[in-house]
Amino acid sequence: AQSVTQLGSHVSVSEGALVLLRCNYSSSVPPYLFWYVQYPNQGLQLLLKYTTGATLVKGINGFEAEFKKSETSFHLTKPSAHMSDAAEYFCAVSGVGTYKYIFGTGTRLKVLA
Amino acid sequence: GAVVSQHPSRVICKSGTSVKIECRSLDFQATTMFWYRQFPKKSLMLMATSNEGSKATYEQGVEKDKFLINHASLTLSTLTVTSAHPEDSSFYICSARGERWENTIYFGEGSWLTVV
Repeated sequence: AQSVTQLGSHVSVSEGALVLLRCNYSSSVPPYLFWYVQYPNQGLQLLLKYTTGATLVKGINGFEAEFKKSETSFHLTKPSAHMSDAAEYFCAVSGVGTYKYIFGTGTRLKVLA
Repeated sequence: GAVVSQHPSRVICKSGTSVKIECRSLDFQATTMFWYRQFPKKSLMLMATSNEGSKATYEQGVEKDKFLINHASLTLSTLTVTSAHPEDSSFYICSARGERWENTIYFGEGSWLTVV
């Protein structure tokens, strides 16, 4: 069985500060990992994904995430927060060969001026 | 890039009526589509997996007779909420997978359903 845990349902950072959103997963098979962003009243937009290969993955809007197998983590970071980053962020996991995504409960990022 | 479109984006219906939500893949053929439901301030819960030309596979606890899913073509899947009740009010979002996409799923914009 697979599961995803996102620590912190709400995270606040100052504009220009580091953004760190935490995601831990459990999976009995090699996982594929994803981060999605959801702006108010909108659908989900893929930020980045890890499937195989390089464990540090760069995505859109300056975000990146590192797959750490030993820690079963896939934390999302951005060096400098921008006001436009305020949104809900979801971490998701799926197994190789399956397309069912298991989502975390989401983290709402607030960026303070 | 891939685009998945849902229609309508917002719908209000009376209790007891049925409402249909469409999910279209606009520039690729979607062999598999997924339907999720998102409760306010909650995560997305997978309702069912829809494969073109075959019956949908529903997740445990999802009423298949209430949430009818049809995937009649490689670019269109529909979710029909039958005999809707206020507790069915939610954000419904579909996603689609095409053969090219290396296990990446693309999501539609979602549909807000309000049952009054």
